[in-house]
Amino acid sequence: DTGVSQDPRHKITKRGQNVTFRCDPISEHNRLYWYRQTLGQGPEFLTYFQNEAQLEKSRLLSDRFSAERPKGSFSTLEIQRTEQGDSAMYLCASLGSHRLHFGNGTRLTVT
Amino acid sequence: AQSVAQPEDQVNVAEGNPLTVKCTYSVSGNPYLFWYVQYPNRGLQFLLKYITGDNLVKGSYGFEAEFNKSQTSFHLKKPSALVSDSALYFCAVRDRGSTLGRLYFGRGTQLTVWP
Repeated sequence: DTGVSQDPRHKITKRGQNVTFRCDPISEHNRLYWYRQTLGQGPEFLTYFQNEAQLEKSRLLSDRFSAERPKGSFSTLEIQRTEQGDSAMYLCASLGSHRLHFGNGTRLTVT
Repeated sequence: AQSVAQPEDQVNVAEGNPLTVKCTYSVSGNPYLFWYVQYPNRGLQFLLKYITGDNLVKGSYGFEAEFNKSQTSFHLKKPSALVSDSALYFCAVRDRGSTLGRLYFGRGTQLTVWP
């Protein structure tokens, strides 16, 4: 169990720029989740993949957000035309043994 | 609808004293329940889960939690707190009948243990 890894750990970008985050889940886990966490809040669900299929998207995921998991392994989350309100910690998790295994997150700051 | 309430934003205890972090939940079916801990600028670390069986669940680092179906609660406890337990704690729930595996989290409780 090498754990869930996320890259980058931190990203600072200017408003209007596009950003992309990567998540590598635990290799034998089929289910992958993206969550967003803002200050003072618990993680909020964004989207979920079973293998390469995106099965659910939260209404929090506006048209500027897109997620992919092309080969059923790693996943990417892209935010286009970033806004200051996108500043948050973006957490990836994979499901195994009835529980979510989280990565350390990508902290996005939009200036 | 599924939701989790953590009624206390902060809990402060002295080292060596018992601690309790409260959690109540609402699900449409039977729940899976979880506690996670988060240290600054880190992801969430799993502490313990209730899936089925004994209502008292023991987890990592000496923590335990008791599932109370009638009160829809899943409070986190530890008999003797350590300064190193200071962190942000999240309770989470999943509907047992859901095939999606999605967790719903509370807002978190900041635990501070002073020496």
